[in-house]
Amino acid sequence: DTGVSQDPRHKITKRGQNVTFRCDPISEHNRLYWYRQTLGQGPEFLTYFQNEAQLEKSRLLSDRFSAERPKGSFSTLEIQRTEQGDSAMYLCASSWTGSNQPQHFGDGTRLSIL
Amino acid sequence: GESVGLHLPTLSVQEGDNSIINCAYSNSASDYFIWYKQESGKGPQFIIDIRSNMDKRQGQRVTVLLNKTVKHLSLQIAATQPGDSAVYFCAENIHVDYGGSQGNLIFGKGTKLSVKP
Repeated sequence: DTGVSQDPRHKITKRGQNVTFRCDPISEHNRLYWYRQTLGQGPEFLTYFQNEAQLEKSRLLSDRFSAERPKGSFSTLEIQRTEQGDSAMYLCASSWTGSNQPQHFGDGTRLSIL
Repeated sequence: GESVGLHLPTLSVQEGDNSIINCAYSNSASDYFIWYKQESGKGPQFIIDIRSNMDKRQGQRVTVLLNKTVKHLSLQIAATQPGDSAVYFCAENIHVDYGGSQGNLIFGKGTKLSVKP
């Protein structure tokens, strides 16, 4: 399977703990995106990278959230001091660079905060 | 698992009928649009896209229509099958002045399609 891969698929943690998710994009894609999706809603943009450069961040990305893509391939999204409101599906997508390129999504990491 | 379809508009069709899912987008500067299908517990799956210089594009069993005058997008699915049951999202990408696009997609609220056998 050469699609976008996310790990873990599910994460359950206690409030206040730190969590880290990983995304492996489609190998030829140099853009990588993170979105968050809550129940009954469409995905909401968090941030995106072109190669290793983080080019855009949403105001949804509070200072407890940090994303990295150190070698321009896989990316990690870390949430520090998790809160109940962080419970959501975290989706990763990748695409080619340039205008009007479709983003292809992974199956997400479901985060549940106890 | 949890359903992404709770509290969403629902379209119920008979197997074999055609389905039309509508979407009103928000920004007149948007120049690229995508339809995604999302099944429960999975990520959005790309179906078809269309650029703002087009008003119609066809794929396999699917057609997307774009009306920029009223900022309206529709997805038509021919001969709907049980496997088409899912939540469908439209997404828009906003053009920016330097010739590119904003990185992020803006998603609509989604429509749940239920296909009755």
